[in-house]
Amino acid sequence: KQEVTQIPAALSVPEGENLVLNCSFTDSAIYNLQWFRQDPGKGLTSLLLIQSSQREQTSGRLNASLDKSSGRSTLYIAASQPGDSATYLCAAFPPNAGNMLTFGGGTRLMVKP
Amino acid sequence: KAGVTQTPRYLIKTRGQQVTLSCSPISGHRSVSWYQQTPGQGLQFLFEYFSETQRNKGNFPGRFSGRQFSNSRSEMNVSTLELGDSALYLCASSLRTSEVGKEQFFGPGTRLTVL
Repeated sequence: KQEVTQIPAALSVPEGENLVLNCSFTDSAIYNLQWFRQDPGKGLTSLLLIQSSQREQTSGRLNASLDKSSGRSTLYIAASQPGDSATYLCAAFPPNAGNMLTFGGGTRLMVKP
Repeated sequence: KAGVTQTPRYLIKTRGQQVTLSCSPISGHRSVSWYQQTPGQGLQFLFEYFSETQRNKGNFPGRFSGRQFSNSRSEMNVSTLELGDSALYLCASSLRTSEVGKEQFFGPGTRLTVL
């Protein structure tokens, strides 16, 4: 059974800092991996989808990498801003499970002005 | 392009009642998935519907059921509500072709409180 873990559970950084969020998964036979952002009490906003054949995906100040062999993905946020404060979730598509996502517990990020 | 919409946004019910939640996917999306989010268990997959057929089901009791209509709109039903069913219920839609693992787009959720 696929398990997804995100460490740390919470992170506080000063504005302007570059940061890395970590995601690990137990079964390397994933299809794709998706990163989301969730603001308190809100739904999930899709940030990036990394296909299993890709190693990186970039969108603006965000860069996500995927290393299936080691079971790891990272989300790099450049020049963090207070508006980046949110919970970041990674989710893996297990094999033979359609569009089902297995989520990590999330990293709660606070960027201080 | 309108996003995923969910109604109602908030709901308060008492134990033993039943509830129906609705989800309208992004136009052109034919796959709809449902998730339950709680502080203790995080986000857990309930089921996925595509072309009015349930394609995948998570590990939830039979009290949780769903359906999808020909216009891709989906409803989720929970019968005999328990206190532990209090949660944020999220719906996601995506294109679903022969290739799976398509990008998922989530709605704002329905906050269900069971008293």
